Amino acid sequence: GIQVEQSPPDLILQEGANSTLRCNFSDSVNNLQWFHQNPWGQLINLFYIPSGTKQNGRLSATTVATERYSLLYISSSQTTDSGVYFCAVYNAGNMLTFGGGTRLMVKP
Amino acid sequence: ETGVTQTPRHLVMGMTNKKSLKCEQHLGHNAMYWYKQSAKKPLELMFVYNFKEQTENNSVPSRFSPECPNSSHLFLHLHTLQPEDSALYLCASSPRQGGRGYTFGSGTRLTVV
Repeated sequence: GIQVEQSPPDLILQEGANSTLRCNFSDSVNNLQWFHQNPWGQLINLFYIPSGTKQNGRLSATTVATERYSLLYISSSQTTDSGVYFCAVYNAGNMLTFGGGTRLMVKP
Repeated sequence: ETGVTQTPRHLVMGMTNKKSLKCEQHLGHNAMYWYKQSAKKPLELMFVYNFKEQTENNSVPSRFSPECPNSSHLFLHLHTLQPEDSALYLCASSPRQGGRGYTFGSGTRLTVV
């Protein structure tokens, strides 16, 4: 099946810093989503992004489907950004396959 | 609150117990999913239901038994579990199977002792 790899696995930032999270996938996909899982386990959809770039406040995402990767940018990070960020892709069967996640800790 | 509610939030059970996890959504979605999240592992899809019919069973052991009585409710019946089954169990729904608009519940943290 399709493989989804995220990097880095762990990231520690000082509040106010910027960061880039990467998601690579092994095969063509129909679509891609980014999720944030807060420390209480809640998974929140951030972006549904098959290609191109989208922005939502301090977060933005870019997917280059032809090169099989997506990037999530976090600017001016805040402590509430802490948690795990997951990339998930739709395989040929239209099922979501998740990457291993990037665990982010933002220190005050 | 996302619109997908899971109960209980936490569950501790012995290996000989029988328990059930419940998931409820009132978003009008037609597809519902069970995922397992273990420490240091990606989310694993367990079961998919589309219009109350099971469409995916991802080689899940028979000690996990799903039930979907209608499009709004999904259960996961547990019996004779093993300690390695301890994990966060997440329910999700979407307007249609595989479509956009996945919404997750907060999960049930299960500990098998």
